[in-house]
Formats: sequence, structure tokens, C-alpha cells
Amino acid sequence: QPVLTQPPSASGTPGQRVTISCSGSSSNIGSNTVNWYQQLPGTAPKLLIHSNNQRPSGVPDRFSGSKSGTSASLAISGLQSEDEADYYCAAWDDSLCWVFGGGTKLTVL
Amino acid sequence: EVQLLESGGGLVQPGGSLRLSCAASGFSFSISAMSWVRQAPGKGLKWVSGIGASGGSTYYADSVKGRFTISRDNSKNTLYLQMHSLRAEDTAVYYCAKDGLRVYYPMDLWGQGTTVTVSS
Repeated sequence: QPVLTQPPSASGTPGQRVTISCSGSSSNIGSNTVNWYQQLPGTAPKLLIHSNNQRPSGVPDRFSGSKSGTSASLAISGLQSEDEADYYCAAWDDSLCWVFGGGTKLTVL
Repeated sequence: EVQLLESGGGLVQPGGSLRLSCAASGFSFSISAMSWVRQAPGKGLKWVSGIGASGGSTYYADSVKGRFTISRDNSKNTLYLQMHSLRAEDTAVYYCAKDGLRVYYPMDLWGQGTTVTVSS
């Protein structure tokens, strides 16, 4: 079972705003920052959000992240068809390992 | 071009061994920590192992501790994962990823992956 908990699926229509949650514990999200990865079908993961809410160069500002306590969220506004992908949260754990969420499959209806 | 290119995957029998390689280019490999992350068919991402920039610090997931060894050759800009005592549950696409200055930095560059299949 993944250490971080994400909903297995999410959906929205073009233009809508969707959020994906990620729940952890005091040893990972509670004490370290959260990163989000986007994995388009058949491709390698790509860093989408790092350090809770920072976007790497080239990531549209439609994507945003937040963290509170032992939970984090990814928000996508102005949903587009090309946003259909799997999204994973990840955090460093104090036991000296990376932990991931199980992934959320986003469907654009 | 900034990239990571994995190789060495293939079909191996249970109990067998395999060594994966990851060739880095376009960035300062010798000052970058690196990780291996795997993805079983139809499943999510799971971190396998990480190594500091100098190779002096290594980290492993419990599921591979004692069976897998991560190493690097900074003179060749190459990361390795030596895998022994392979099990069916090790079947996955293995990605190498650049962590940044430390293993706990975000993985900001990923390779395209190499497939390992453990089956008789």
C-alpha cells in the first residue's frame, strides 16, 4: 500500500477547476515539502510542483499546490484535454526514503 | 541536451541478477544526487534507491535492501543499479531520476525507463 493517500480518480470538464488531495503523516508531509508529478500516458513522470507550491520553469500557472499539516493538494484550473494524465504526490520521509501516493487518474470529460 | 538514458533491462529468471545503467548528459552529474524509481505494470510509482553526489551516501527501500546496490561512476556520468535475487514482484519499468544537490531534493529530471521482467 502506498504511504501517501490519494484518490484513485478525478474528473472535470474543460475549463473547470479540479483538486487532488494527498494525505500523509508527521514523518513525511508533516515535516518535509511535497512534490507533484504528472505522468502522461506512455511517458515518464515529469516534475509539476516542488516544495509544496513552486512551479518549475515551463509549467503553466494553471497548476498550483498547497500544503497544510500532513496533507497537500494539487489544483488545476482552466482544465484542458491535455491535462488528462496520472498525478502523483511525493515527499521525503524522515526514515530516509521517498514515499509516493498511489496516483490519481485525471479524466477530462 | 539534458537527458538521462537507462539501459540494461530485460527478461531474467527468478533468483537471477541484472545491472541497470543510466547515462547522464547535459548537466553536472558529479554534483547531483540520483535515484531509481520503479513502476510495476498498471501500478504507481515506487522509489527504489538513492545515492548522494559523491556516492558516499546510499539509501534503499525496505523491499530491495540487501538485494539491490546503487552506485555511480562520476568519471563516466553513469548511475547503476545492481539487482540480485530478483523476484516476480520486481517486474517493473525502472526510471532513473536526478534529485539535485541531495537525495531529498525534488526529482526534476527523469529518464524514459527500462523494463525489467522477472519470469521463468
